[in-house]
Amino acid sequence: QKEVEQNSGPLSVPEGAIASLNCTYSDRGSQSFFWYRQYSGKSPELIMSIYSNGDKEDGRFTAQLNKASQYVSLLIRDSQPSDSATYLCARHNAGNMLTFGGGTRLMVKP
Amino acid sequence: DAGVIQSPRHEVTEMGQEVTLRCKPISGHDYLFWYRQTMMRGLELLIYFNNNVPIDDSGMPEDRFSAKMPNASFSTLKIQPSEPRDSAVYFCASSLSLLADYNEQFFGPGTRLTVL
Repeated sequence: QKEVEQNSGPLSVPEGAIASLNCTYSDRGSQSFFWYRQYSGKSPELIMSIYSNGDKEDGRFTAQLNKASQYVSLLIRDSQPSDSATYLCARHNAGNMLTFGGGTRLMVKP
Repeated sequence: DAGVIQSPRHEVTEMGQEVTLRCKPISGHDYLFWYRQTMMRGLELLIYFNNNVPIDDSGMPEDRFSAKMPNASFSTLKIQPSEPRDSAVYFCASSLSLLADYNEQFFGPGTRLTVL
């Protein structure tokens, strides 16, 4: 079992809809999680971080963490074609290291 | 700031040749990370440095790979000899080491390596 797992997709949603991206992890001791967005041919960029159970909102993005069930999710409201990218879930390890999931490709259709 | 700088952006070489990838972190950052990204394996951490010292190289696939950081503004990742299975995008990232649970890693544009 991979340490951080994501459905590779593609996840296709119509413009204006809510996109829901999910991530599960195997280490119950994990405390902090991050969502990176990667456009095709570009480098990953951080869009959200979440450290405690519950929801964290930032504009159109909401990160959700459930440590008991060991999953993290990212909701994108009012999805736009510019949101089309691969979304990488990452778990924080000691020493500022990250373990990344395989990523979910999101396609937002106009 | 110019961000993390990597060179070359693209490298095509033949099997058996030596390949050297270069990285200049963001000024003032004292963590530097080398990642490899492939379709099959995703984004994998190869090695990281703190204050120019290698801290964890457990992700380095084999002895053909080596990395150095001779000073705070420069790092290299060398593959010798290269093999077709080394074809991937190699990213360098850097971060600060503030007193926080996590400090954001900023990624460079990557080097796309093709080994024929």
